[in-house]
Amino acid sequence: GENVEQHPSTLSVQEGDSAVIKCTYSDSASNYFPWYKQELGKGPQLIIDIRSNVGEKKDQRIAVTLNKTAKHFSLHITETQPEDSAVYFCAAGDAGNMLTFGGGTRLMVKP
Amino acid sequence: ETGVTQTPRHLVMGMTNKKSLKCEQHLGHNAMYWYKQSAKKPLELMFVYNFKEQTENNSVPSRFSPECPNSSHLFLHLHTLQPEDSALYLCASSQRLAGVGADTQYFGPGTRLTVL
Repeated sequence: GENVEQHPSTLSVQEGDSAVIKCTYSDSASNYFPWYKQELGKGPQLIIDIRSNVGEKKDQRIAVTLNKTAKHFSLHITETQPEDSAVYFCAAGDAGNMLTFGGGTRLMVKP
Repeated sequence: ETGVTQTPRHLVMGMTNKKSLKCEQHLGHNAMYWYKQSAKKPLELMFVYNFKEQTENNSVPSRFSPECPNSSHLFLHLHTLQPEDSALYLCASSQRLAGVGADTQYFGPGTRLTVL
């Protein structure tokens, strides 16, 4: 089955700096890579996703890159703000609609 | 709000109790999911329902029993649970489209379950 590794497990940055979270996956059949943000007491919220026919996608301060050959994808947050503090999860999905999640990254943005 | 609601938000139960978790989606989706989120493990898929039919049971113990009476509602019936079953139980829904690949899943806020 699919295995998704996520690094780092914790990340602390100063407000205004950039944050990068990286994930690797094992199954070359995976073709869908969403990123979720989970705040305390809430369920995961989709923030951006990318499909395997695209190498990069941006949405304001958030971007995701995908390297299919190396089987890794990354989340980039620029100009971080305190409200970006949360746990971020990557996932990999296939045509069977199963999502396999990474272990999560706790991002702390210090004012 | 994502359009997926879960009740109750918090539940404390003894090992001999029977309780049920409820999920409702207001998005018109045709697939629903139960996930377990523990402190030390990644999100674990438990069950998948497509068009009210169970299509995935991820080796979940029989003390967890799902029910999907229609494509908008999903239940998780609990009985004789163990303390290690304490976790956040998340419901999600998606619109299953043939030939598109994996769908975007939208999560509810979860039920925080504590088993004493």
